[in-house]
Amino acid sequence: EAGVVQSPRYKIIEKKQPVAFWCNPISGHNTLYWYRQNLGQGPELLIRYENEEAVDDSQLPKDRFSAERLKGVDSTLKIQPAELGDSAVYLCASMLLRSGANVLTFGAGSRLTVL
Amino acid sequence: SQQGEEDPQALSIQEGENATMNCSYKTSINNLQWYRQNSGRGLVHLILIRSNEREKHSGRLRVTLDTSKKSSSLLITASRAADTASYFCATVTTGANNLFFGTGTRLTVIP
Repeated sequence: EAGVVQSPRYKIIEKKQPVAFWCNPISGHNTLYWYRQNLGQGPELLIRYENEEAVDDSQLPKDRFSAERLKGVDSTLKIQPAELGDSAVYLCASMLLRSGANVLTFGAGSRLTVL
Repeated sequence: SQQGEEDPQALSIQEGENATMNCSYKTSINNLQWYRQNSGRGLVHLILIRSNEREKHSGRLRVTLDTSKKSSSLLITASRAADTASYFCATVTTGANNLFFGTGTRLTVIP
């Protein structure tokens, strides 16, 4: 079975430019997460989807970040405009939501460098 | 904000020794999980322990949970160079499906 696929793996942009990340979760996984991981830190939750609905976006900086999950499968995370502090690894994870087993499968991540 | 904190932040041991990492968290949980992250890669799930469990084993891994102290520990026995990675605890709070990760312990196993 294919894992969680993310692209691009690396992106270097100048500040104020837009950037988008794409995630294809494991087939059949109805829950999808976006996390941001700064260097030397643990992942921080940005948004969680159940099917196509964003059920928790309380940690998403909505002034510049947006996300969508069309048809409850693939998802995109966009930053516009990017700032220097946005440099981080953006991780996507998916899960089949069922009682008592909230185990995430992560993608390899998209490393963003803002110059 | 992150739910848990790991201790120590970094740990260096010789191959064959045991490695113990600790995690403290703040709120009531449904379960606690441990993940591993190799450099430049995504996180990989290792083990899950539910709030009504006190100890769990999986291969060379042993996890304990003390809900009264809001803490957990991960023991890796007979460590190998391939165990070199960062280890994160993650908590699932009661009534929610979000995982909140700790700050991580960076383990280095010296061959």
